[in-house]
Amino acid sequence: GAVVSQHPSWVICKSGTSVKIECRSLDFQATTMFWYRQFPKQSLMLMATSNEGSKATYEQGVEKDKFLINHASLTLSTLTVTSAHPEDSSFYICSAFRTGGGTEAFFGQGTRLTVV
Amino acid sequence: AQSVAQPEDQVNVAEGNPLTVKCTYSVSGNPYLFWYVQYPNRGLQFLLKYITGDNLVKGSYGFEAEFNKSQTSFHLKKPSALVSDSALYFCAVRALNTGFQKLVFGTGTRLLVSP
Repeated sequence: GAVVSQHPSWVICKSGTSVKIECRSLDFQATTMFWYRQFPKQSLMLMATSNEGSKATYEQGVEKDKFLINHASLTLSTLTVTSAHPEDSSFYICSAFRTGGGTEAFFGQGTRLTVV
Repeated sequence: AQSVAQPEDQVNVAEGNPLTVKCTYSVSGNPYLFWYVQYPNRGLQFLLKYITGDNLVKGSYGFEAEFNKSQTSFHLKKPSALVSDSALYFCAVRALNTGFQKLVFGTGTRLLVSP
């Protein structure tokens, strides 16, 4: 199966700082990638759809200035949590569909963000 | 709008017994249906999918699922559970009305297999 790599796996940062999370498709191209947030013992909440070479599409209620998404190449999307606060602490997961084929999404291993 | 329901927060089964994890969906048009499994602090792993064709689909690790259009269900099954199957299971749907772009998840069902 296709591999999606997410980095870092976990990060601790201080309130007010920014954190960047990378999502890479290692063996396929992904025109579109997705960013999810998962709260403890809850389902995945879609935050935004990341489109290569264009602006991301954010879901209702997600602050685009808070969660900056950049999809500069067909294999890399980044999510930057700006001016992080403790309530941003969560598990963030990215996924991608293989461009030009395939029906199932492939997921990164997730990033555990803790803001102190 | 499309939605997925997983009515059970947790399913308990003894090792060696059959297991079923329930999923129902609501979409416009024909759905693409998926099951994923998540282990603690990890991303989701693809188990199986239904796109078209045979209603019974087989997937990874001995899991299978049956698509039932009249009942709008896609229950996950395994004939003989293993302790290592204990994890969080998500049912998901992609639908034509979103251009098949968005994957909508159920709330997840925790499977606990006891020795």
